[in-house]
Amino acid sequence: KNEVEQSPQNLTAQEGEFITINCSYSVGISALHWLQQHPGGGIVSLFMLSSGKKKHGRLIATINIQEKHSSLHITASHPRDSAVYICAVRYSGAGSYQLTFGKGTKLSVIP
Amino acid sequence: DGGITQSPKYLFRKEGQNVTLSCEQNLNHDAMYWYRQDPGQGLRLIYYSQIVNDFQKGDIAEGYSVSREKKESFPLTVTSAQKNPTAFYLCASRDRANEKLFFGSGTQLSVL
Repeated sequence: KNEVEQSPQNLTAQEGEFITINCSYSVGISALHWLQQHPGGGIVSLFMLSSGKKKHGRLIATINIQEKHSSLHITASHPRDSAVYICAVRYSGAGSYQLTFGKGTKLSVIP
Repeated sequence: DGGITQSPKYLFRKEGQNVTLSCEQNLNHDAMYWYRQDPGQGLRLIYYSQIVNDFQKGDIAEGYSVSREKKESFPLTVTSAQKNPTAFYLCASRDRANEKLFFGSGTQLSVL
């Protein structure tokens, strides 16, 4: 079974710190999503990547296709960044845009 | 404001009862999805629909049913055959132009 592994599972940071969340997958993919789940449960899409790097505000997402690895970076972290960050991949050949999800990384940013 | 609306936010099911979770979108998206989230687990696909009047089973469809009579609506029924229904249920749609996903705020289903 194709898996998506995220690390760390939990992360506590001081406000202002640079944060990195990692995502590894097992076989070739056609797309990788980074999602943010707020404490109330709602999920927001942050990035969709198939190669390279994307940046939006303080968030940066990178993907290394050869190493089957993606990272989500948060610069100058803030307490409002506290959430669960979820990596999801579409494996190459997966029908009808079906995604495999990681278990998430719970981030807490302390003032 | 465009988006996905799920209701209710909390739902309680009695044993032997069927319950229906609502999902409505005004984003004009063809593709819609239902996911189940359990504590400490990744989201799992229950059903998906690529177009009106068509839907397909996901990884964990047993004990669930859906319909897609209108583009805007994709309700999920949790039937009495689902023996472990307590979970957080999320509805999503996908913009085919850029593959971006949009999620509702979720429904927490619990068993009385």
